[in-house]
Amino acid sequence: DADVTQTPRNRITKTGKRIMLECSQTKGHDRMYWYRQDPGLGLRLIYYSFDVKDINKGEISDGYSVSRQAQAKFSLSLESAIPNQTALYFCATSDSSGGYNEQFFGPGTRLTVL
Amino acid sequence: AQKVTQAQTEISVVEKEDVTLDCVYETRDTTYYLFWYKQPPSGELVFLIRRNSFDEQNEISGRYSWNFQKSTSSFNFTITASQVVDSAVYFCALSETTNAGGTSYGKLTFGQGTILTVHP
Repeated sequence: DADVTQTPRNRITKTGKRIMLECSQTKGHDRMYWYRQDPGLGLRLIYYSFDVKDINKGEISDGYSVSRQAQAKFSLSLESAIPNQTALYFCATSDSSGGYNEQFFGPGTRLTVL
Repeated sequence: AQKVTQAQTEISVVEKEDVTLDCVYETRDTTYYLFWYKQPPSGELVFLIRRNSFDEQNEISGRYSWNFQKSTSSFNFTITASQVVDSAVYFCALSETTNAGGTSYGKLTFGQGTILTVHP
């Protein structure tokens, strides 16, 4: 079974709709991240969470919100989706107990906003 | 602010050719970590290597090798005798640290990615 899972894997929605992307992990890691990938731009950080009570904005947080329901779950919400939020979204986890930051990525969610 | 630049947007080679993917980074941290990830057509991100800023030894793993040069802020990736299965998008990434002790904040800054196509 995958250590980092994302649901849904693919989603098509309409402008103005609220949508939630979910991420779960069984790695026991304390840190979780949400990135979006756009062609030619690489991955950019949306939000990150160092533990359940510690949530921080990343590089491109406008239009997004997150919820860390438990150490293993980190959800990303688009309150009112717009077409330029069409992208591939990745969740990642890491373990703060190490001196480095190898991040383990989920399989990605492909979101299309019409 | 940190920045990672992968100037090569797309590279096309024929199988068995060697290919080098360039990565140049900017950071004010004295301690940091560099990474390479592979994204095959299926879309997942595959971790390839991590290197910390104090370790400038080059590394070889099978057909893959990495050249880290702190003096030029570069962390280049070479695939020897490329194969069709190497076709993917490759990302270089940089992780900042909290302090001189080297604990990582955990946030990765990615380059734009290089699309590598290996033709049979």
